[in-house]
Amino acid sequence: DTAVSQTPKYLVTQMGNDKSIKCEQNLGHDTMYWYKQDSKKFLKIMFSYNNKELIINETVPNRFSPKSPDKAHLNLHINSLELGDSAVYFCASSRDNLGGQPQHFGDGTRLSIL
Amino acid sequence: GNSVTQMEGPVTLSEEAFLTINCTYTATGYPSLFWYVQYPGEGLQLLLKATKADDKGSNKGFEATYRKETTSFHLEKGSVQVSDSAVYFCALSTNYGNNRLAFGKGNQVVVIP
Repeated sequence: DTAVSQTPKYLVTQMGNDKSIKCEQNLGHDTMYWYKQDSKKFLKIMFSYNNKELIINETVPNRFSPKSPDKAHLNLHINSLELGDSAVYFCASSRDNLGGQPQHFGDGTRLSIL
Repeated sequence: GNSVTQMEGPVTLSEEAFLTINCTYTATGYPSLFWYVQYPGEGLQLLLKATKADDKGSNKGFEATYRKETTSFHLEKGSVQVSDSAVYFCALSTNYGNNRLAFGKGNQVVVIP
């Protein structure tokens, strides 16, 4: 059983389109995250939810909107895609949002903007 | 703010060689420290962790010791294998940041047979 699963694995689309990435975890964790990994492999936190409540909202364009329908799911919707959005997006989860909790990552969604 | 610094550049070494990847950090309070590994085409996997000073994390032959006096968490392995080729990330989280991970830039490790 995959602990943190993301779909799709690859997403190729054109500038200006709107797309969503889905994430589900079956670990019973309370906290979920979205990270962006750029072409140089640098990872940066974007958002985090704890029990469906937004607790981390980094400085990202408001074209990016996370949604957590329940604590096992955290989706990422992106409006009006731009070339600079090309990256790998990782979903992760942890037992809770207290410091020191290991995070479990999905395999990533590779987004390419044409 | 919290930050992690890893040594610059990829690391290329021969099978059975000794591996060291340096990691230093700056943090508010007392962070927990992690090493994550990313194999090609995959997500990040937790390799090891340490939550307080002088703790040693270890897994799969890798070790790292939490050194508060030098604010470091260097990763070591005594004898690497080709299967250890991956990108290695040092990271930290604190109780003040909702468990957000601050990552280093990562080091590509290539082990040659």
